[in-house]
This record gives sequence, structure tokens and C-alpha cells, in this order.
Amino acid sequence: RKEVEQDPGPFNVPEGATVAFNCTYSNSASQSFFWYRQDCRKEPKLLMSVYSSGNEDGRFTAQLNRASQYISLLIRDSKLSDSATYLCVVNKKGWEGGSYIPTFGRGTSLIVHP
Amino acid sequence: DGGITQSPKYLFRKEGQNVTLSCEQNLNHDAMYWYRQDPGQGLRLIYYSQIVNDFQKGDIAEGYSVSREKKESFPLTVTSAQKNPTAFYLCASSDRAPDGTTNEKLFFGSGTQLSVL
Repeated sequence: RKEVEQDPGPFNVPEGATVAFNCTYSNSASQSFFWYRQDCRKEPKLLMSVYSSGNEDGRFTAQLNRASQYISLLIRDSKLSDSATYLCVVNKKGWEGGSYIPTFGRGTSLIVHP
Repeated sequence: DGGITQSPKYLFRKEGQNVTLSCEQNLNHDAMYWYRQDPGQGLRLIYYSQIVNDFQKGDIAEGYSVSREKKESFPLTVTSAQKNPTAFYLCASSDRAPDGTTNEKLFFGSGTQLSVL
């Protein structure tokens, strides 16, 4: 099982739709979680951190379920400009006593069409 | 403005040649990372460094080498032993959480596209 798994998609949705992505992780000791957005051949940019209590930023909502070891991202009222790849990042322990290392899922592709 | 700078943007490697990718940050971050991204794939960790003069292998370190002589700089050398070097290389840095238990969000450079001639 991969350490961080995402459905690669693509998710093809019309403007205005609501779309949700999930990401599962295998290391129960993982400490922090993030969603990044990546446009083609560009560097990833932080979309939002994911907190245990869940958090919302405008049209975007992130949730963490530690018991089931997954995080989710919900996008409401999709815009054409939301078309991108969404990367899930989980900080896992690098080695016993060591620091946490950001580990990426392979990303989920979203295409929003008119 | 603080940030992280990668150079060059495009790089071509000849057979048997070593090439070095530059990564510099002025964010005063302790941790720095190198990732490789192949088309349609996620980011895979090559090397990371949590503090100056120390670094660790990531998941795909074979054929690569790094150094961390200064806090601001973390260059990556792609050696001739790396038989399939064509990829998009991303350097990143992060700070430590106030309680020291985990690293915070990543700041990325704009990437280097390496191709083989």
C-alpha cells in the first residue's frame, strides 16, 4: 500500500458543481496535513492546511478523519480557474526520533468545463 | 521579498555528464528538500536536510548527491549514475512548528526541467 493515495481522476465537472476529493494515508503517526494546488509544469502552491476540527476557506473545505486515516477536500461552486491538479501532503516521521517529512500523493486532476 | 530560487529553469545533460541544480532560500528555514516529478506523477523525495551540514536520503536517492554547507543553499547534483534523469525537479523549504513536533507548510522554487540530449 502506498503511503499516501489519491484517485488520479480526472474529475470532469461543469462550472458551479460541487466536487470532493479524498486522500488516504497509511502512517497513523502522521502529524500534519495539507492540500496543494499545482498547475501544469508549475510549482505546487499551498491551498490549505487541514486541521482536526476541519476548516473552511471560501469555497474550499478540508476535513481530517484520523480514525479512518483520510483527509478530504470539498470545492463548492466550481470555477473554470479551479482546473488544476490537487496534491495531498502528509507529514510522516522520517526515522525514529527524527523530524517529519512531507510525503505527496500523486495528485487528483480536476477539469472544470463551461 | 523572501523566497526560494531555483536555477536554471531548463537544463540539458549529455551522456555521462554530471549536472548541478541550484537551490537558494532567504526564508531562514532549517529544512530543505529535493523532489522529482515525472509526467502525470506526484512528487517523489530525493534528499532532504533538516539542518546545515546534515542531510538524509529520500525514497529515490540513487544517482543523486547533495550538500548543505550553508543554511541558505541546498544544491542537487544529478550524476551519470542516474540513467533516467529527465524530469521536473522541485526544491522546497519549510520551517519547524513552534512546538518542534512537525514541519510547517512547504515553500517551493519554480522548478528545473532537466532533459537528456
